[in-house]
Amino acid sequence: GAGVSQSPSNKVTEKGKDVELRCDPISGHTALYWYRQSLGQGLEFLIYFQGNSAPDKSGLPSDRFSAERTGGSVSTLTIQRTQQEDSAVYLCASSSRPSQETQYFGPGTRLLVL
Amino acid sequence: AQTVTQSQPEMSVQEAETVTLSCTYDTSESDYYLFWYKQPPSRQMILVIRQEAYKQQNATENRFSVNFQKAAKSFSLKISDSQLGDAAMYFCAYRAYGGATNKLIFGTGTLLAVQP
Repeated sequence: GAGVSQSPSNKVTEKGKDVELRCDPISGHTALYWYRQSLGQGLEFLIYFQGNSAPDKSGLPSDRFSAERTGGSVSTLTIQRTQQEDSAVYLCASSSRPSQETQYFGPGTRLLVL
Repeated sequence: AQTVTQSQPEMSVQEAETVTLSCTYDTSESDYYLFWYKQPPSRQMILVIRQEAYKQQNATENRFSVNFQKAAKSFSLKISDSQLGDAAMYFCAYRAYGGATNKLIFGTGTLLAVQP
Protein backbone atom coordinates (compact mmCIF):
# COMPACT_ATOMS: atom_id res chain seq x y z
CA GLY A 1 0.00 0.00 0.00
CA ALA A 2 0.91 3.64 -0.19
CA GLY A 3 1.12 4.30 3.53
CA VAL A 4 2.14 2.70 6.81
CA SER A 5 -0.32 0.02 7.85
CA GLN A 6 -0.87 -1.46 11.28
CA SER A 7 -2.85 -4.41 12.55
CA PRO A 8 -5.00 -5.02 14.38
CA SER A 9 -6.79 -1.71 14.51
CA ASN A 10 -8.10 -2.49 17.96
CA LYS A 11 -7.16 -5.15 20.46
CA VAL A 12 -8.84 -6.06 23.72
CA THR A 13 -7.02 -8.49 25.98
CA GLU A 14 -7.05 -9.72 29.52
CA LYS A 15 -4.42 -8.78 32.03
CA GLY A 16 -1.55 -11.23 31.93
CA LYS A 17 -1.97 -12.22 28.29
CA ASP A 18 0.64 -11.61 25.59
CA VAL A 19 -0.16 -9.45 22.55
CA GLU A 20 1.52 -8.85 19.20
CA LEU A 21 1.10 -5.68 17.20
CA ARG A 22 2.15 -5.51 13.58
CA CYS A 23 3.50 -2.69 11.45
CA ASP A 24 4.06 -2.63 7.69
CA PRO A 25 6.16 0.41 6.77
CA ILE A 26 6.10 2.26 3.49
CA SER A 27 7.90 0.21 0.86
CA GLY A 28 11.55 1.17 0.66
CA HIS A 29 11.66 2.97 4.00
CA THR A 30 14.65 1.81 5.99
CA ALA A 31 13.85 3.47 9.31
CA LEU A 32 10.97 2.29 11.51
CA TYR A 33 9.78 3.70 14.81
CA TRP A 34 7.29 2.63 17.47
CA TYR A 35 5.61 5.20 19.71
CA ARG A 36 3.01 4.88 22.43
CA GLN A 37 0.23 7.37 23.01
CA SER A 38 -1.47 7.22 26.39
CA LEU A 39 -3.53 9.62 28.46
CA GLY A 40 -1.03 9.79 31.26
CA GLN A 41 2.23 9.88 29.32
CA GLY A 42 1.34 11.55 26.04
CA LEU A 43 3.30 10.47 22.98
CA GLU A 44 6.50 8.63 23.82
CA PHE A 45 9.17 6.91 21.78
CA LEU A 46 9.57 3.17 22.27
CA ILE A 47 12.03 1.69 19.79
CA TYR A 48 13.82 2.47 16.53
CA PHE A 49 15.07 0.23 13.74
CA GLN A 50 17.42 1.34 10.99
CA GLY A 51 18.40 -1.14 8.30
CA ASN A 52 20.56 -3.92 9.70
CA SER A 53 21.84 -1.90 12.64
CA ALA A 54 21.09 -2.88 16.21
CA PRO A 55 17.80 -1.29 17.26
CA ASP A 56 17.62 1.55 19.75
CA LYS A 57 15.50 0.12 22.57
CA SER A 58 16.01 3.01 24.94
CA GLY A 59 12.31 3.90 25.08
CA LEU A 60 10.93 0.50 26.00
CA PRO A 61 9.27 0.89 29.43
CA SER A 62 10.02 -2.60 30.75
CA ASP A 63 11.43 -5.96 29.75
CA ARG A 64 7.89 -7.12 29.01
CA PHE A 65 8.14 -5.11 25.79
CA SER A 66 10.12 -6.32 22.81
CA ALA A 67 10.13 -5.75 19.08
CA GLU A 68 11.65 -7.26 16.01
CA ARG A 69 11.88 -6.33 12.40
CA THR A 70 12.15 -9.14 9.90
CA GLY A 71 13.86 -8.70 6.56
CA GLY A 72 14.15 -4.98 7.08
CA SER A 73 10.43 -4.52 6.51
CA VAL A 74 7.59 -5.71 8.74
CA SER A 75 7.92 -5.12 12.47
CA THR A 76 6.17 -6.77 15.40
CA LEU A 77 5.87 -5.22 18.84
CA THR A 78 5.24 -7.83 21.54
CA ILE A 79 3.96 -7.10 25.02
CA GLN A 80 4.18 -10.00 27.43
CA ARG A 81 2.04 -10.40 30.54
CA THR A 82 0.03 -7.29 29.74
CA GLN A 83 -0.91 -4.88 32.51
CA GLN A 84 -3.73 -2.35 32.61
CA GLU A 85 -1.21 0.49 32.32
CA ASP A 86 -0.22 -0.89 28.90
CA SER A 87 -3.57 0.31 27.55
CA ALA A 88 -2.74 2.91 24.92
CA VAL A 89 -2.56 3.57 21.20
CA TYR A 90 0.60 2.14 19.68
CA LEU A 91 1.78 4.08 16.64
CA CYS A 92 4.28 2.99 14.05
CA ALA A 93 6.14 5.36 11.74
CA SER A 94 8.67 4.98 8.96
CA SER A 95 11.03 7.24 7.06
CA SER A 96 13.19 6.77 4.03
CA ARG A 97 16.35 8.37 5.37
CA PRO A 98 16.38 8.62 9.14
CA SER A 99 18.60 11.62 9.51
CA GLN A 100 16.72 13.92 7.19
CA GLU A 101 13.36 12.61 6.28
CA THR A 102 9.95 13.11 7.78
CA GLN A 103 8.37 10.24 9.68
CA TYR A 104 5.08 8.98 8.27
CA PHE A 105 2.68 7.40 10.70
CA GLY A 106 0.28 4.51 10.53
CA PRO A 107 -3.26 4.62 11.97
CA GLY A 108 -2.19 2.95 15.20
CA THR A 109 -3.41 0.00 17.23
CA ARG A 110 -5.63 0.79 20.20
CA LEU A 111 -4.86 -1.70 22.97
CA LEU A 112 -7.20 -2.15 25.90
CA VAL A 113 -6.12 -4.40 28.75
CA LEU A 114 -8.98 -5.45 31.00
CA ALA B 1 17.25 16.65 27.50
CA GLN B 2 15.05 18.21 24.90
CA THR B 3 11.50 19.15 25.80
CA VAL B 4 8.52 20.48 23.89
CA THR B 5 5.77 22.50 25.54
CA GLN B 6 2.32 23.30 24.22
CA SER B 7 0.63 25.56 26.72
CA GLN B 8 -2.82 25.61 25.10
CA PRO B 9 -4.70 22.36 25.80
CA GLU B 10 -7.70 23.56 23.78
CA MET B 11 -8.39 26.27 21.23
CA SER B 12 -11.46 27.28 19.28
CA VAL B 13 -11.80 29.22 16.03
CA GLN B 14 -14.66 30.30 13.81
CA GLU B 15 -14.77 28.90 10.32
CA ALA B 16 -12.83 31.11 7.86
CA GLU B 17 -10.97 32.85 10.69
CA THR B 18 -7.30 32.57 11.64
CA VAL B 19 -5.90 30.80 14.66
CA THR B 20 -2.40 30.46 16.06
CA LEU B 21 -1.21 27.49 18.10
CA SER B 22 1.80 27.96 20.34
CA CYS B 23 4.81 25.73 20.90
CA THR B 24 8.06 26.26 22.74
CA TYR B 25 10.95 23.90 23.05
CA ASP B 26 14.20 23.53 24.88
CA THR B 27 17.42 22.24 23.35
CA SER B 28 21.12 22.94 23.44
CA GLU B 29 21.53 21.83 19.83
CA SER B 30 21.90 24.28 16.98
CA ASP B 31 20.65 22.01 14.21
CA TYR B 32 17.31 20.26 14.49
CA TYR B 33 13.90 19.89 12.91
CA LEU B 34 10.52 21.02 14.12
CA PHE B 35 7.20 19.61 13.01
CA TRP B 36 3.50 20.13 13.39
CA TYR B 37 1.40 17.00 13.14
CA LYS B 38 -2.38 16.82 13.03
CA GLN B 39 -4.28 13.92 14.57
CA PRO B 40 -7.99 13.72 13.72
CA PRO B 41 -10.31 11.27 15.50
CA SER B 42 -9.20 8.59 13.05
CA ARG B 43 -5.87 8.56 14.99
CA GLN B 44 -3.76 8.94 11.85
CA MET B 45 -0.93 11.37 12.53
CA ILE B 46 -0.65 13.62 9.49
CA LEU B 47 2.30 15.90 8.85
CA VAL B 48 1.17 19.50 8.53
CA ILE B 49 4.44 21.35 8.17
CA ARG B 50 8.11 21.05 8.98
CA GLN B 51 10.90 23.52 9.62
CA GLU B 52 14.65 23.03 9.50
CA ALA B 53 16.35 25.08 12.19
CA TYR B 54 19.12 26.26 9.87
CA LYS B 55 16.59 27.92 7.58
CA GLN B 56 15.68 31.45 8.54
CA GLN B 57 12.66 31.55 6.27
CA ASN B 58 9.43 30.40 7.87
CA ALA B 59 7.86 27.33 6.28
CA THR B 60 4.45 27.60 4.62
CA GLU B 61 2.07 25.01 3.24
CA ASN B 62 -1.03 26.50 1.69
CA ARG B 63 -3.17 27.79 4.60
CA PHE B 64 -0.60 26.69 7.18
CA SER B 65 2.43 28.71 8.14
CA VAL B 66 4.83 28.85 11.06
CA ASN B 67 6.50 31.60 13.00
CA PHE B 68 9.89 30.17 13.89
CA GLN B 69 11.83 32.21 16.43
CA LYS B 70 15.07 30.30 17.01
CA ALA B 71 16.50 32.54 19.70
CA ALA B 72 13.26 32.41 21.66
CA LYS B 73 12.86 28.68 20.92
CA SER B 74 9.34 29.27 19.75
CA PHE B 75 7.53 27.55 16.88
CA SER B 76 3.91 28.60 16.45
CA LEU B 77 1.49 27.37 13.80
CA LYS B 78 -0.91 29.73 12.05
CA ILE B 79 -3.95 28.32 10.31
CA SER B 80 -5.61 30.79 7.95
CA ASP B 81 -9.15 30.53 6.58
CA SER B 82 -9.94 27.75 9.05
CA GLN B 83 -12.09 24.91 7.74
CA LEU B 84 -14.23 22.36 9.55
CA GLY B 85 -11.76 19.67 8.48
CA ASP B 86 -9.02 21.40 10.44
CA ALA B 87 -10.62 20.29 13.70
CA ALA B 88 -8.16 17.88 15.30
CA MET B 89 -5.45 17.48 17.90
CA TYR B 90 -2.28 19.26 16.87
CA PHE B 91 1.11 18.14 18.11
CA CYS B 92 4.34 20.06 17.95
CA ALA B 93 7.42 17.84 17.69
CA TYR B 94 11.19 18.20 17.82
CA ARG B 95 13.82 16.01 16.27
CA ALA B 96 17.55 16.31 16.54
CA TYR B 97 19.59 16.56 13.38
CA GLY B 98 21.63 13.43 12.82
CA GLY B 99 22.24 11.48 15.99
CA ALA B 100 21.68 7.82 16.66
CA THR B 101 17.93 7.69 16.90
CA ASN B 102 16.19 10.65 15.34
CA LYS B 103 13.21 10.03 17.56
CA LEU B 104 10.47 12.62 17.71
CA ILE B 105 9.83 14.41 20.98
CA PHE B 106 6.25 15.56 21.19
CA GLY B 107 4.39 18.22 23.08
CA THR B 108 1.16 17.39 24.88
CA GLY B 109 -1.02 18.63 22.05
CA THR B 110 -3.64 21.29 21.43
CA LEU B 111 -7.19 20.28 20.65
CA LEU B 112 -8.57 22.62 17.99
CA ALA B 113 -12.30 23.04 17.54
CA VAL B 114 -13.66 24.82 14.46
CA GLN B 115 -17.06 26.44 14.89
CA PRO B 116 -19.34 26.74 11.83
